[in-house]
Amino acid sequence: AQSVTQLDSQVPVFEEAPVELRCNYSSSVSVYLFWYVQYPNQGLQLLLKYLSGSTLVESINGFEAEFNKSQTSFHLRKPSVHISDTAEYFCAVSDSGGSNYKLTFGKGTLLTVNP
Amino acid sequence: NAGVMQNPRHLVRRRGQEARLRCSPMKGHSHVYWYRQLPEEGLKFMVYLQKENIIDESGMPKERFSAEFPKEGPSILRIQQVVRGDSAAYFCASSPGFGVGQPQHFGDGTRLSIL
Repeated sequence: AQSVTQLDSQVPVFEEAPVELRCNYSSSVSVYLFWYVQYPNQGLQLLLKYLSGSTLVESINGFEAEFNKSQTSFHLRKPSVHISDTAEYFCAVSDSGGSNYKLTFGKGTLLTVNP
Repeated sequence: NAGVMQNPRHLVRRRGQEARLRCSPMKGHSHVYWYRQLPEEGLKFMVYLQKENIIDESGMPKERFSAEFPKEGPSILRIQQVVRGDSAAYFCASSPGFGVGQPQHFGDGTRLSIL
């Protein structure tokens, strides 16, 4: 079984500031890692994912995350945030085997971008 | 180009009543997943269905909860004799096939409130 810890429940930042949302996981098997974003009263949207290969993955809107196997982390970063990035961000993990459809989510980090 | 459609968006029930939550997957998707989000928690996997088959129901409570995905029509998550602890957001996701290369697309959720 896997588990995900998102260390910060809320992260307030000012517009154009950099941000890092932290995610650590535990698993006894190889994993796939995901970041999802949830805007108010909406469903989750996949932001980016790590399956294999390069440990640095990027999204189309400027976010990036780096898989660090030794530290069991998958932190999400953006060098300069916008007001529109205000949302809740969920880190998720699945095993890389036959039940990889079963996502395990963290409790989420509410990112609030202030003007 | 409709996404995953869930209805109702909000559902209020009194203790002891039944709740039925519906999910229409994206066009061309034959795999459906249900997740539950308790207050201040991450999403928890409940069940994975394909047309007319339950593939994995390891996350479903043993009693009062059932799910189906008939040959025709939406997937239904049914909760009998609801209790206060069933209050949560229930999300449905769908994918075109099996495996992490087939990302899950989420609906906007049904917020269930038990009086």
